Amino acid sequence: DTAVSQTPKYLVTQMGNDKSIKCEQNLGHDTMYWYKQDSKKFLKIMFSYNNKELIINETVPNRFSPKSPDKAHLNLHINSLELGDSAVYFCASSQDSGTDTQYFGPGTRLTVL
Amino acid sequence: KNEVEQSPQNLTAQEGEFITINCSYSVGISALHWLQQHPGGGIVSLFMLSSGKKKHGRLIATINIQEKHSSLHITASHPRDSAVYICAVRSRGAQKLVFGQGTRLTINP
Repeated sequence: DTAVSQTPKYLVTQMGNDKSIKCEQNLGHDTMYWYKQDSKKFLKIMFSYNNKELIINETVPNRFSPKSPDKAHLNLHINSLELGDSAVYFCASSQDSGTDTQYFGPGTRLTVL
Repeated sequence: KNEVEQSPQNLTAQEGEFITINCSYSVGISALHWLQQHPGGGIVSLFMLSSGKKKHGRLIATINIQEKHSSLHITASHPRDSAVYICAVRSRGAQKLVFGQGTRLTINP
């Protein structure tokens, strides 16, 4: 059974479109994260939710909006996509937001044309 | 300058060699993580440590809190160890991880 799953795995879209990436974890974890990995492979935190509550909100454009309907799901919606949004987006989860091990999803490669 | 610096950025070695990847950080931390990113893109957590040393199979991670430095060692390296190894730290009092730029390791048969 997949612990942290993301859909879709690949997403190719035009500039200006709105798209969503879904993430689900079946580990019973309380905390979920969204990371962006740029073309240089640098990982950066975007958002983190603990029990459906936003606890980390890094400096990302407000075109990016996370939504956590329950603690097993954390979706990422992106409005008005731009070329610079092209990257791999990783979802992760951990038992708590402290020093716990994080489990990563397989990533979603977003390409904006 | 990034809070977390790894060296080397790229490392190529022959099968069987002992590998060391270094990570230096500039802030007080509550934990340090070592992650492995496979060529296919998946990321796996290898170690989380806040002091001393941890071992898992052929992998050993050490940390020196006073020197703000950690090393990841691979003994008897194998081509399947080829991946990007990423160091990440959680600053004291912070909730987010800050990542190094990664070290691309290639083990040739």
